Amino acid sequence: QKEVEQDPGPLSVPEGAIVSLNCTYSNSAFQYFMWYRQYSRKGPELLMYTYSSGNKEDGRFTAQVDKSSKYISLFIRDSQPSDSATYLCAMSYSSASKVIFGSGTRLSIRP
Amino acid sequence: NAGVTQTPKFQVLKTGQSMTLQCAQDMNHEYMSWYRQDPGMGLRLIHYSVGAGITDQGEVPNGYNVSRSTTEDFPLRLLSAAPSQTSVYFCASRTGGIRGQETQYFGPGTRLLVL
Repeated sequence: QKEVEQDPGPLSVPEGAIVSLNCTYSNSAFQYFMWYRQYSRKGPELLMYTYSSGNKEDGRFTAQVDKSSKYISLFIRDSQPSDSATYLCAMSYSSASKVIFGSGTRLSIRP
Repeated sequence: NAGVTQTPKFQVLKTGQSMTLQCAQDMNHEYMSWYRQDPGMGLRLIHYSVGAGITDQGEVPNGYNVSRSTTEDFPLRLLSAAPSQTSVYFCASRTGGIRGQETQYFGPGTRLLVL
């Protein structure tokens, strides 16, 4: 079993829809949770960063961590075609430890 | 401020050849890492460094060497290329400290094809 599981998609939604992307994990020791966005043939870029449980909002993006269920989510409101990309979840035990990535979900927003 | 740069962008090798993938950053970051990305596998850590002169192995280090003689540069060496090393390679850098992972930047990647 992988430490971090992520549905690969692809996920296709119409412009303006709310998108929900999710990851589950097996190790309760994870404390730091991140979401990266990766456009085709580009390097990943950090989108959201959360420490421990709770919600974090940044513009149209909300990251949610539920440590009791070992489940993290990224919500995108008012989705735009420019949001079409692969979204990778990532997590780590501490600020100094290595980061474990999910396999990524490919998202397509239809105009 | 160029961020993280990688060269070459694309390379074709024959089995058994060696090569070095270059990575440089101009942000004075302590931490640098090399990942490979394969379809359905996400990013897997090859080697990482927490400062000049200090390196350690990640999840998939076999067949790769690294060194860190300066803060800026972190080259990845393929000793004897194999078709299983066909992948996209990403270099990343970040600061240390408790919020270091908020500062992680990735390079644009090197696509490697081993025939």
